[in-house]
Amino acid sequence: QKEVEQDPGPLSVPEGAIVSLNCTYSNSAFQYFMWYRQYSRKGPELLMYTYSSGNKEDGRFTAQVDKSSKYISLFIRDSQPSDSATYLCAMSARNYGQNFVFGPGTRLSVLP
Amino acid sequence: EAQVTQNPRYLITVTGKKLTVTCSQNMNHEYMSWYRQDPGLGLRQIYYSMNVEVTDKGDVPEGYKVSRKEKRNFPLILESPSPNQTSLYFCASRVVGGEKLFFGSGTQLSVL
Repeated sequence: QKEVEQDPGPLSVPEGAIVSLNCTYSNSAFQYFMWYRQYSRKGPELLMYTYSSGNKEDGRFTAQVDKSSKYISLFIRDSQPSDSATYLCAMSARNYGQNFVFGPGTRLSVLP
Repeated sequence: EAQVTQNPRYLITVTGKKLTVTCSQNMNHEYMSWYRQDPGLGLRQIYYSMNVEVTDKGDVPEGYKVSRKEKRNFPLILESPSPNQTSLYFCASRVVGGEKLFFGSGTQLSVL
C-alpha cells in the first residue's frame, strides 16, 4: 500500500461546478497537510495548508482534514477554467521538519 | 523576484554520459531537495539537504549524486545515466520548519 493515495483522474467538470479532490494516507504520524497546484509544464505551487484536523477556507477553496479516517479533501467552489491543473496533496510529520510525502496528483479539467 | 532556477529545461542524452542539472535559489533557504515526477507515481524525493555540506538520501537515490557547497546551489549529478532515469526533475527549497516548498520549473530529461 502506498503511503499516500490519490485518484489520478482525469476529472472533467463544467465551469461553475463544485469539485472535490481527495487523498487517503496510512501514516498516523502525519500532522501537516498541504495541497499543491501544478499547471502543465510548471513546478507545483502551494495552494493551502492545514495543521491536524478541521477545515480551512481561502476564497473558493476549502481544505478539510479527518485524521480519524486518515482522509483529506480539497473543495473548489464555482470552479473556473483557470483551475484546470493537477492537484497534489502532501503531508508531513512534526513541524515540517521532516520531508514531505506527496500523493500522485489528480488531473482536473474545468470545461467552459 | 524569489525563485528557484533550474537548468537546463530540456535535456536529451545517451546512456552512460555524465550530466549535471543545476539548481539555484535566491531566498536564502536552508533546505533544498530534488524530486523526480513520473506518471502514476507522483513526486518522489531523490536527495535533500538541510544546510551547506549536509545532504541525505530520499526515497529513490540510486544512480544520483548531489553536493551542497554553497547555500544557494544544489546540483544533481547523474554519473552514468540509464533509460530508467528518463523523467521530469524538480528542484525545490524552503526554510527549515516551513510548509511552503518553492519549486523550479522542471528539467525534462530523456536518456536514450
